[in-house]
Amino acid sequence: DAKTTQPNSMESNEEEPVHLPCNHSTISGTDYIHWYRQLPSQGPEYVIHGLTSNVNNRMASLAIAEDRKSSTLILHRATLRDAAVYYCILRDELTGGGNKLTFGTGTQLKVEL
Amino acid sequence: NAGVTQTPKFQVLKTGQSMTLQCAQDMNHEYMSWYRQDPGMGLRLIHYSVGAGITDQGEVPNGYNVSRSTTEDFPLRLLSAAPSQTSVYFCASSYDGGAREKLFFGSGTQLSVL
Repeated sequence: DAKTTQPNSMESNEEEPVHLPCNHSTISGTDYIHWYRQLPSQGPEYVIHGLTSNVNNRMASLAIAEDRKSSTLILHRATLRDAAVYYCILRDELTGGGNKLTFGTGTQLKVEL
Repeated sequence: NAGVTQTPKFQVLKTGQSMTLQCAQDMNHEYMSWYRQDPGMGLRLIHYSVGAGITDQGEVPNGYNVSRSTTEDFPLRLLSAAPSQTSVYFCASSYDGGAREKLFFGSGTQLSVL
């Protein structure tokens, strides 16, 4: 299964944009790129996902490299409530119902005033 | 909708005891799964189900049993608890196992085995 690599931690100032990178050099053509985040003492929550094109939603933007070997989650204006662990994972369309998702250790985002 | 509901939120067991962690969803999701999360580690998949009557093993299935008799419920059973099973357990569901589907997680069960 294709794996992802993320930095262990990143820091940002409040109201500043944050770019969280993810490398997935062995990604297959049928892998969707998903991002989740986990606030302290909570379960993970969905943030965004995409296949080839950049995606935007109310929470964030996802920029996918042309060769799809990396992606970047963009928080346009970080707030203290965005301090969380961010996970980049791949979901393979081919495995369909046998989907075994692998969550790594993610990136711990710290947001300061 | 309540989403994904896990009970209990906290549990303390003695080694060798058995118990069942409950997970229920009211979104008519076909896919459900259980993860455990240990300090400093990511989430590891224990078991998953793609529909009523169908279950399969994940990355760390030993010591855990599951069954899926209804679409709504996916209980996780510890037959003989061990200290190594001390962890935070998360249940998750999605409409189906498709790659485009979002996963919805419960708030977790913190389990301590003494």
